[in-house]
Amino acid sequence: DVKVTQSSRYLVKRTGEKVFLECVQDMDHENMFWYRQDPGLGLRLIYFSYDVKMKEKGDIPEGYSVSREKKERFSLILESASTNQTSMYLCASSSDRAKLFFGSGTQLSVL
Amino acid sequence: AQKVTQAQTEISVVEKEDVTLDCVYETRDTTYYLFWYKQPPSGELVFLIRRNSFDEQNEISGRYSWNFQKSTSSFNFTITASQVVDSAVYFCALRLTSGTYKYIFGTGTRLKVLA
Repeated sequence: DVKVTQSSRYLVKRTGEKVFLECVQDMDHENMFWYRQDPGLGLRLIYFSYDVKMKEKGDIPEGYSVSREKKERFSLILESASTNQTSMYLCASSSDRAKLFFGSGTQLSVL
Repeated sequence: AQKVTQAQTEISVVEKEDVTLDCVYETRDTTYYLFWYKQPPSGELVFLIRRNSFDEQNEISGRYSWNFQKSTSSFNFTITASQVVDSAVYFCALRLTSGTYKYIFGTGTRLKVLA
């Protein structure tokens, strides 16, 4: 069974902390994505990566960075967490132009 | 600019009713893909269907059917004889075939099916 695995389902952090959200896929997909989901706003793209070490900004990259050192792993980094980054974070992967496979999401609360 | 609009924020129906979820998209590209995803309470979005812009044939899969009309830029989703297990948030998405790898999602429609 194909899988996108996000390291944590729930996470609570303090303002100013550096936060790492990890995502691993086992499908050898080139493309990986980080979305944030907020009520009434749907899914908004933070960053995506189309190859190892390659990344592009999405619609809301401010306050985030990413790392893709290996094809299967795509990390989202909150350099200094703020309360307005409290959200559900969804990782996804795909081969070119194909459907997205999603992880179960990480509900991040920043206090 | 590309955009996906799901005007229905939340719909409640009684079990066994039919329900249609609307999706309207905007793009100037002639080649694109449209998707529907389901997000049950567990949180993981599940793929339901992909349709490319050259295929306007409607599709039926069990109780689910999709109506794609390029003339009105709509890709609507109908659930026939709804069940409680259909309760979820449903997202429509657009993916262009040129340049960007981005998928553009609508804001989702929360469907509540009451027993």
